[in-house]
Amino acid sequence: IAGITQAPTSQILAAGRRMTLRCTQDMRHNAMYWYRQDLGLGLRLIHYSNTAGTTGKGEVPDGYSVSRANTDDFPLTLASAVPSQTSVYFCASSVEGSYNEQFFGPGTRLTVL
Amino acid sequence: SQKIEQNSEALNIQEGKTATLTCNYTNYSPAYLQWYRQDPGRGPVFLLLIRENEKEKRKERLKVTFDTTLKQSLFHITASQPADSATYLCALDPSAGGGNKLTFGTGTQLKVEL
Repeated sequence: IAGITQAPTSQILAAGRRMTLRCTQDMRHNAMYWYRQDLGLGLRLIHYSNTAGTTGKGEVPDGYSVSRANTDDFPLTLASAVPSQTSVYFCASSVEGSYNEQFFGPGTRLTVL
Repeated sequence: SQKIEQNSEALNIQEGKTATLTCNYTNYSPAYLQWYRQDPGRGPVFLLLIRENEKEKRKERLKVTFDTTLKQSLFHITASQPADSATYLCALDPSAGGGNKLTFGTGTQLKVEL
């Protein structure tokens, strides 16, 4: 089935622990993105990648890192989770460049205690 | 500062009526603007894109306008149905063609009642 998958669906994590959120797409899109969504703040861009091997910082990158070893996968890592990283995380992909719609995954609900 | 504003209060309308949602922005000069629909517990789904040189765009019962002078986009759903109930997000690329890194508004929740 074409689209984007994210794992896990939800996770409860102790503060200070390391966590990697997984994202895989099978649409062969060059561009991929990570957003977090918080009540009252909307979706905010964390990191993005325009093509395999390159990444860039979005609006709220602190505390997060990403890698893009291949076209399909774009994992997001929290090196040492803090309670303020409690959020719903969405991965998205698109054809590279402007004027293109983004396709979103189902999200990962992360709670950091 | 740069801002995208959508009505934070839910919009309740009766089935069959036209719903109009507003997206205002300040201190941006976007080349295009996008609208997405988000259902509870799901990721956003793309609906429409309108470019700065387009005044209006239509898709079935949906219509989007884009006024770069007013810095505003309006999103209309005609003949609304209960299935249209969702949160609608507007988004723009603040880098004016810099690669589709979107900034989203907080969304407006629409409830269509029988």
